[in-house]
Amino acid sequence: QQQVKQSPQSLIVQKGGISIINCAYENTAFDYFPWYQQFPGKGPALLIAIRPDVSEKKEGRFTISFNKSAKQFSLHIMDSQPGDSATYFCAASFAHNQGGKLIFGQGTELSVKP
Amino acid sequence: EAGVTQFPSHSVIEKGQTVTLRCDPISGHDNLYWYRRVMGKEIKFLLHFVKESKQDESGMPNNRFLAERTGGTYSTLKVQPAELEDSGVYFCASSRIRATATNEKLFFGSGTQLSVL
Repeated sequence: QQQVKQSPQSLIVQKGGISIINCAYENTAFDYFPWYQQFPGKGPALLIAIRPDVSEKKEGRFTISFNKSAKQFSLHIMDSQPGDSATYFCAASFAHNQGGKLIFGQGTELSVKP
Repeated sequence: EAGVTQFPSHSVIEKGQTVTLRCDPISGHDNLYWYRRVMGKEIKFLLHFVKESKQDESGMPNNRFLAERTGGTYSTLKVQPAELEDSGVYFCASSRIRATATNEKLFFGSGTQLSVL
């Protein structure tokens, strides 16, 4: 119930291509879905987040698509660049929870080849 | 603005020894979180402080782990005695208000890589 399942575990994309990472959840009470980006030797950094009242959110080349009925959400990276090579984590939480605890997926290592 | 600082960046200890990890959150951030990532797995929540009080410690694996945040500033996470399964990257994160609030951001430190041999 508290898990977030993320796939694929690793992804190789050519420069200019589209990177797609998928996540699925079980707990319908989740209402906050962020994506974090982590470069080697650094901590995760918030990339983009969505709440379930919208089906899509776009920031630059990064888009979150959200399917409430399927309990799935995904990150699309358009025109992928070598600088996007990093580990990406999806997460879920309860926006109005007093604590703000996040439940993370297992991470996807993205490699963008020049 | 200085980010979240963690010390040490790496620690290699033997099973049975004690290790203390330190986290300095961003100044003014009342909320401090500890997370852990075991190799290749998800980042798992350990606990959450609001100022010096433990808000949620539901993720602490067992009583070998002790977290403190005296004075509501920096925090320490002590593992005593360490076991092989404690190996992983320990992240600290901070935010002004709860991390999931609208327009709020959670800032992570670079982590402490703990290896228990």
